[in-house]
Amino acid sequence: GAVVSQHPSRVICKSGTSVKIECRSLDFQATTMFWYRQFPKKSLMLMATSNEGSKATYEQGVEKDKFLINHASLTLSTLTVTSAHPEDSSFYICSASRDTTLNTEAFFGQGTRLTVV
Amino acid sequence: SQQGEEDPQALSIQEGENATMNCSYKTSINNLQWYRQNSGRGLVHLILIRSNEREKHSGRLRVTLDTSKKSSSLLITASRAADTASYFCATDDTGFQKLVFGTGTRLLVSP
Repeated sequence: GAVVSQHPSRVICKSGTSVKIECRSLDFQATTMFWYRQFPKKSLMLMATSNEGSKATYEQGVEKDKFLINHASLTLSTLTVTSAHPEDSSFYICSASRDTTLNTEAFFGQGTRLTVV
Repeated sequence: SQQGEEDPQALSIQEGENATMNCSYKTSINNLQWYRQNSGRGLVHLILIRSNEREKHSGRLRVTLDTSKKSSSLLITASRAADTASYFCATDDTGFQKLVFGTGTRLLVSP
């Protein structure tokens, strides 16, 4: 199956700093990628849809200036958590869409556990 | 985006028993998918069922879909300790993998 690679898998940062998470589709082109967030023992919540070459579409309640998304190529989307605070500590996971194929499984990265201290 | 509800929230069974999890959702869908997540790790795709399908099997897994009731169920037969994980349903109303996840069921299978 298709592979989506997410990096880093774990990161610890200090309050006030920014952290960048990368999501790469390794063997297919993904014009669309999705970013999800998961709090401990909770479900995944869609944060935003990352569109190659255009602005991301954010879900209601997600701060676009806080969570910067860049999708500069067909295989890479990045999520930058700016001015991180402890409440941003969470598990972030991306998925890539094979836009040309309807009704297929989503391909997820391994996830990034962010801890802000 | 509104989440679907999963029932039960937690399920504890013995090895060899069957486990059934239910998922209800709110909108019309193109497909519904089930995922497994082991303790804070990534997601493992289990099965996808399209809106025009009613039942699907994969190994020890059986998924049903009732679009009139907006509900789905996942049955794991002859469970094993290795099946211990959280299970999530996810609906796709566009067909292009933009998913809305259910609340999840935590399954514990004891040896």
